[in-house]
Amino acid sequence: KNEVEQSPQNLTAQEGEFITINCSYSVGISALHWLQQHPGGGIVSLFMLSSGKKKHGRLIATINIQEKHSSLHITASHPRDSAVYICAVAWNTGNQFYFGTGTSLTVIP
Amino acid sequence: NAGVTQTPKFQVLKTGQSMTLQCAQDMNHNSMYWYRQDPGMGLRLIYYSASEGTTDKGEVPNGYNVSRLNKREFSLRLESAAPSQTSVYFCASSGTPQAGHQPQHFGDGTRLSIL
Repeated sequence: KNEVEQSPQNLTAQEGEFITINCSYSVGISALHWLQQHPGGGIVSLFMLSSGKKKHGRLIATINIQEKHSSLHITASHPRDSAVYICAVAWNTGNQFYFGTGTSLTVIP
Repeated sequence: NAGVTQTPKFQVLKTGQSMTLQCAQDMNHNSMYWYRQDPGMGLRLIYYSASEGTTDKGEVPNGYNVSRLNKREFSLRLESAAPSQTSVYFCASSGTPQAGHQPQHFGDGTRLSIL
């Protein structure tokens, strides 16, 4: 049973659109991570959040601990943002990570 | 900057063959992980090592063994490969303390097909 849920599974956007990807989880966590998987398969870490909000360039990540929910926003989307975005959580117990199934984003010029 | 290096990148095996996937990191990280990624499923943890000399089972350990050879290297072995082990395998590492609060650094993956 996958306890990390992402939505939507697939997303197509026009270049310049504002994009939101959502992640919900079922129990208390110590941290939540957003990852990006490029079409070639490589995975890079974008953000680690335990509270509040973080911003890096056109990417913004927020987390609401009480609602067990996080969002990843992309402002002024660009075709190079096309990738799979993965949410991962580290539970309060232990150092293991559990991953969502990912959101596949395609940005059309 | 090598980061996390996995070898091989591709491998085709016959059912019953054995092989070892190699992983090395040069970031002086204590924690290392092996995951598999299958279509429609999230990354799933096979084994992890919180520090040199320790290993622990993850979500899907059956059919695999691991060795934390030293702080840099963490290998994954398939003793008798089965078609169900066809997958993309990723090695990752992260710093401590509180590995959950540290970003994970991933290798490029190994595409393994079992015929």
